[in-house]
Amino acid sequence: GAGVSQSPSNKVTEKGKDVELRCDPISGHTALYWYRQRLGQGLEFLIYFQGNSAPDKSGLPSDRFSAERTGESVSTLTIQRTQQEDSAVYLCASSQTWTEETQYFGPGTRLLVL
Amino acid sequence: SQQGEEDPQALSIQEGENATMNCSYKTSINNLQWYRQNSGRGLVHLILIRSNEREKHSGRLRVTLDTSKKSSSLLITASRAADTASYFCATERGSTLGRLYFGRGTQLTVWP
Repeated sequence: GAGVSQSPSNKVTEKGKDVELRCDPISGHTALYWYRQRLGQGLEFLIYFQGNSAPDKSGLPSDRFSAERTGESVSTLTIQRTQQEDSAVYLCASSQTWTEETQYFGPGTRLLVL
Repeated sequence: SQQGEEDPQALSIQEGENATMNCSYKTSINNLQWYRQNSGRGLVHLILIRSNEREKHSGRLRVTLDTSKKSSSLLITASRAADTASYFCATERGSTLGRLYFGRGTQLTVWP
């Protein structure tokens, strides 16, 4: 079946603008995760949704970052008033449940803030 | 903050040779996973080893886990040019199920 998809693939924006990044998880996957990967680094956890439970937002770096998820489907990560240090690849992953350890990753959105 | 640390940061070998990458972590874990990433984009899950397991195999991959030393190794046997990629270890803690903590990765280059 289809894997995790993300859009846009690339986004260039000016400092101070807001951006929205979208993630479509694998159908039927109840858990959805957002990570950030700066150049040459590992992945940093941002936020985690599991079904109807309150999301784990403990990884969000500032109040400029927020994420929503509609039921068990699409998620949107919003970055307000972007800064140059927000430039990174934003990766989304999903898993069947929170107890299903394997996470399936999308191709990522490469964000460049000028 | 990141949990694991892989070493070496970069590894360059010839096709047919074995590649060994190591990962160390700091806190107790539920499981440890290895992922592969091509060209800085999506990650592909390779293998998962639980905290009560010591060794696991999958094709040309062999993973070991030593919880007393808080370390793991990934061995790729008979490497191929197509194995060229970044390899990351990620740990899941019992206290924060679902959330993965990644290391910085090892960049493996396999020369034909």
